[in-house]
Amino acid sequence: EIVMTQSPATLSVSPGERATLSCRASQSISNNLAWYQQKPGQAPRLLIYFASTRATGIPARFSGSGSGTEFTLTISSLQSEDVAVYCCQHYGGWPRTFGQGTKVEIK
Amino acid sequence: QVQLVQSGAEVKMPGASVKVSCKASGYTFTNYYIHWVRQAPGQGLEWMGRINPDTDVTNFAQQFQGRITVTRDTSISTAYMELSGLTSGDTAVYFCARAVIHGGHFDLWGRGSLVTVSS
Repeated sequence: EIVMTQSPATLSVSPGERATLSCRASQSISNNLAWYQQKPGQAPRLLIYFASTRATGIPARFSGSGSGTEFTLTISSLQSEDVAVYCCQHYGGWPRTFGQGTKVEIK
Repeated sequence: QVQLVQSGAEVKMPGASVKVSCKASGYTFTNYYIHWVRQAPGQGLEWMGRINPDTDVTNFAQQFQGRITVTRDTSISTAYMELSGLTSGDTAVYFCARAVIHGGHFDLWGRGSLVTVSS
């Protein structure tokens, strides 16, 4: 099983500042990685797939990068509506697994 | 409207089974996989399994083998997940999610079905 490890667990960022979230896979998954945003009481929402492709309707301030085992989600200018938990998910093999999530809050 | 509509909350006794439904609308049901993901209170997301609605082929996470069944009814564009031998550890929100055939990301999610296991 591929283990996905996210850091940090919590990230406090001032409005308008950059937020950088990391996700590491225990083995290479090429670019088979997605990022999701989840707000309390809601289902996850797809942000990024194939490591760097923004999903439909996702603002340009969200970007993804990386391949192999190291991946990054960047929010270029944090907005209040971006407060949420962000998790990564691989689809480079079976079973699919998720990271434990990074909680992004406003400083 | 493209959506996945799930069945409502359930309360079950330990040892019982639960069956959650996921009705697709607004797209061709057989063109996308349906996956099941659960989230225990305050915890992360856990992938459980998937079905190819076109071929009825299923894959499951090892930890659920033997007590999970995923089926579909193409005539009503609905997938089902049944979990047996429930324990308090199965208390969670159960989501269905759509995945493209040539990819593995989940681009459409149901709102979730809360299953509470309690005596």
